[in-house]
Amino acid sequence: DTEVTQTPKHLVMGMTNKKSLKCEQHMGHRAMYWYKQKAKKPPELMFVYSYEKLSINESVPSRFSPECPNSSLLNLHLHALQPEDSALYLCASSQEGGGLNSPLHFGNGTRLTVT
Amino acid sequence: GESVGLHLPTLSVQEGDNSIINCAYSNSASDYFIWYKQESGKGPQFIIDIRSNMDKRQGQRVTVLLNKTVKHLSLQIAATQPGDSAVYFCAENSGGSNYKLTFGKGTLLTVNP
Repeated sequence: DTEVTQTPKHLVMGMTNKKSLKCEQHMGHRAMYWYKQKAKKPPELMFVYSYEKLSINESVPSRFSPECPNSSLLNLHLHALQPEDSALYLCASSQEGGGLNSPLHFGNGTRLTVT
Repeated sequence: GESVGLHLPTLSVQEGDNSIINCAYSNSASDYFIWYKQESGKGPQFIIDIRSNMDKRQGQRVTVLLNKTVKHLSLQIAATQPGDSAVYFCAENSGGSNYKLTFGKGTLLTVNP
């Protein structure tokens, strides 16, 4: 079992729906991440939060809106998605050290299907 | 552009054999490297990491080797077991104070009983 918990495990949504993905960690990590992974491909970085502030946005379309309510929680709000946005969305966390010098711990992801 | 890549997309070994998974990186500024294992339906699981001031690091049944001269990283798995079957990714940071972890393409390891 992973120490990063993601809900829901599976999500099917229409292109006009609004939904949210949730992530929680209790390891005291202050850096949190959203990655997107298509089938048979490596994870691709979307967003990074450091101390609850957005520090990296990898030119992600505005239909994806991240939120970090506190140091343990990370949300990804979804609106007006396209079928090509169907993927595994992974949350991760790491110790904050002024940069990436400790491993990321991943959740098991949310499998998103956009119809 | 700078990228992390793998020489072998698939690797099939017999149970009990040793496995070696290779990775090439091109960013000489990278100073931290991680190997992940991803089983079907799960997120990447941390295996072992190494910093650029080291050339070898050992864990339980795993060893990571780093050759900075040729920008090459490898993961050795001793006495491979069926439970080791998974996709293995190498990943690198780019040094400095950013948080971007770049993943290689991945190698599918299949262990035959």
